[in-house]
Amino acid sequence: QSALTQPASVSGSPGQSITISCTGTNSDVGGYNFVSWYQQHPDKAPKLIIYEVNNRPSGVSNRFSGSKSGNTASLTISGLQAEDEADYYCSSYSSSTTLYVFGSGTKVTVL
Amino acid sequence: QVQLQQWGEGLLKPSETVSLTCAFYGGSFSGYYWSWIRQPPGKGLEWIGEISQSGSTNYNPSLKSRVTISIDTSKNHYSLKLTSVTAADTAVYYCANNYHWGFGPWGQGTLVTVSS
Repeated sequence: QSALTQPASVSGSPGQSITISCTGTNSDVGGYNFVSWYQQHPDKAPKLIIYEVNNRPSGVSNRFSGSKSGNTASLTISGLQAEDEADYYCSSYSSSTTLYVFGSGTKVTVL
Repeated sequence: QVQLQQWGEGLLKPSETVSLTCAFYGGSFSGYYWSWIRQPPGKGLEWIGEISQSGSTNYNPSLKSRVTISIDTSKNHYSLKLTSVTAADTAVYYCANNYHWGFGPWGQGTLVTVSS
């Protein structure tokens, strides 16, 4: 069982905005601004798209944005495009059992 | 731009040892940690452990008794060994550069299958 809770699936139409939640505890998401997000297409390695809650690595579209409130972090994809259809995972630094924990993953479908 | 390339044996029998190596290109080991992460088929990601340039390691407690991560800075390589494998260790194993408390870039992944 994953340490961070994400919805199993989220869908939206092209051009719409969607938001994926990632809920943890005071020992991980709520305790540190060290939440990151990953995009994974089928049979591909994950790709870092957000780090430290709301920072984008060079080359990542500004349609991806992150935020955090309490023990819940969120990833918003605006102007949804067909190429955004993928699995998305959150991760956080943790002071509990292991240094880094991942979310259960969310499948994004573009209708 | 840092790129990671990994290799290792993909088919193992129960009780054998996973041995994977990751090489990086286009950057420096200096100041970074380097991780191994795995993903069972159809499932989510699990952090295995990390190593620094100086060889300092941190491991996931659930795997700590079976995991060793080592580094060879002269070859820009770091390696993973996971002993006494079972079918539950079947997964795609990724190497990744720690980046601002996240992970990126990632290696291409190696499918490790444990089967008798």
